[in-house]
Amino acid sequence: DAKTTQPNSMESNEEEPVHLPCNHSTISGTDYIHWYRQLPSQGPEYVIHGLTSNVNNRMASLAIAEDRKSSTLILHRATLRDAAVYYCILILGGNEKLTFGTGTRLTIIP
Amino acid sequence: GAVVSQHPSWVICKSGTSVKIECRSLDFQATTMFWYRQFPKQSLMLMATSNEGSKATYEQGVEKDKFLINHASLTLSTLTVTSAHPEDSSFYICSARSGISPLHFGNGTRLTVT
Repeated sequence: DAKTTQPNSMESNEEEPVHLPCNHSTISGTDYIHWYRQLPSQGPEYVIHGLTSNVNNRMASLAIAEDRKSSTLILHRATLRDAAVYYCILILGGNEKLTFGTGTRLTIIP
Repeated sequence: GAVVSQHPSWVICKSGTSVKIECRSLDFQATTMFWYRQFPKQSLMLMATSNEGSKATYEQGVEKDKFLINHASLTLSTLTVTSAHPEDSSFYICSARSGISPLHFGNGTRLTVT
């Protein structure tokens, strides 16, 4: 699986937008970009995924660079419940395994 | 949305005993389930891929005789930690998928071996 690089940690103020970056310079044409998050003492939770175009859902938005070598997860208005470790993962089309990196630990400041 | 139920949520056992963890997909059929292990402050580590009706595929370094995986139906996979030792204490997480949909995870099982 192609590797991803994320900052170890980030902080954001409550009710402000958060932009979580992910670099994946070795991404292949069939790799999907997935984001999951893990709250303390829970299993990971699916957030969003995309291939080439930007994606929006009720949880977040995913902005994918034109060359697909990086992406950004956008939380439009952070709440305390968004404090978690966010994982950016590449999944080869048709390959079901998920390999987790170290992720970004997001702290929300009240 | 899709739900994966994992049971028990926590378990304490004595060294040398075996522990079984169940993973169920509640509202979809999962041809493939995955088992992960997570130590404190670390990321998830994939242990094995469980396919319904066939043998599990273990990742390198994971002992198949110690971590027995059974996937007897499309909605149930079990992980049995045999002859558990304190170093097996960890957070075990299962996940399941239907087709090409995103993975859905259970809430994990915290195993403590005394």
